[in-house]
Amino acid sequence: EAGVVQSPRYKIIEKKQPVAFWCNPISGHNTLYWYLQNLGQGPELLIRYENEEAVDDSQLPKDRFSAERLKGVDSTLKIQPAELGDSAVYLCASSLLDGNEQFFGPGTRLTVL
Amino acid sequence: KQEVTQIPAALSVPEGENLVLNCSFTDSAIYNLQWFRQDPGKGLTSLLLIQSSQREQTSGRLNASLDKSSGRSTLYIAASQPGDSATYLCAPRHAGTYKYIFGTGTRLKVLA
Repeated sequence: EAGVVQSPRYKIIEKKQPVAFWCNPISGHNTLYWYLQNLGQGPELLIRYENEEAVDDSQLPKDRFSAERLKGVDSTLKIQPAELGDSAVYLCASSLLDGNEQFFGPGTRLTVL
Repeated sequence: KQEVTQIPAALSVPEGENLVLNCSFTDSAIYNLQWFRQDPGKGLTSLLLIQSSQREQTSGRLNASLDKSSGRSTLYIAASQPGDSATYLCAPRHAGTYKYIFGTGTRLKVLA
């Protein structure tokens, strides 16, 4: 069974440029999470989807971050415009709707110059 | 607000030692607690999940215990190996939500 797929794995951009990350969850997993992980820290939740509905986006900086999960499968996280402080690893995870265990993708490492 | 602390922050041991990694959390109203492993530059791999009603879970050389009332969980690694070198993160899930709060992790290095 394929795991959570994320792309790109690495992205380097200049500040004020837009950037997008893509995630494909494990087949059949209704719940999808986007996390941000700074160096030396644990992941912090940005947004959680149940199917195509964002049920928890309280930690998403909505002035520059946006996310979508059309058709309730794969998801895109966008930053526009990127700032230096956005440099981090962006992790995607998925789980069954009523399941407990989260499965993580490899992450996208973003560097903003 | 849930705060999660992991001690020690870093640990370096010779191969073969039995290890204890500690996780404490401030809000005991949790649904479950998950232990993860993260290798450098990689995502998180789930190791063990303990429900709030359980006291411990075991998988191979790993054993995780949970004392919900005191806000503590411990991950035991038996007979450590160099391949165990990684960062270990604990994450309690608050009761009634799907929100996990992660600790900052313990960076483990097992020397051959």
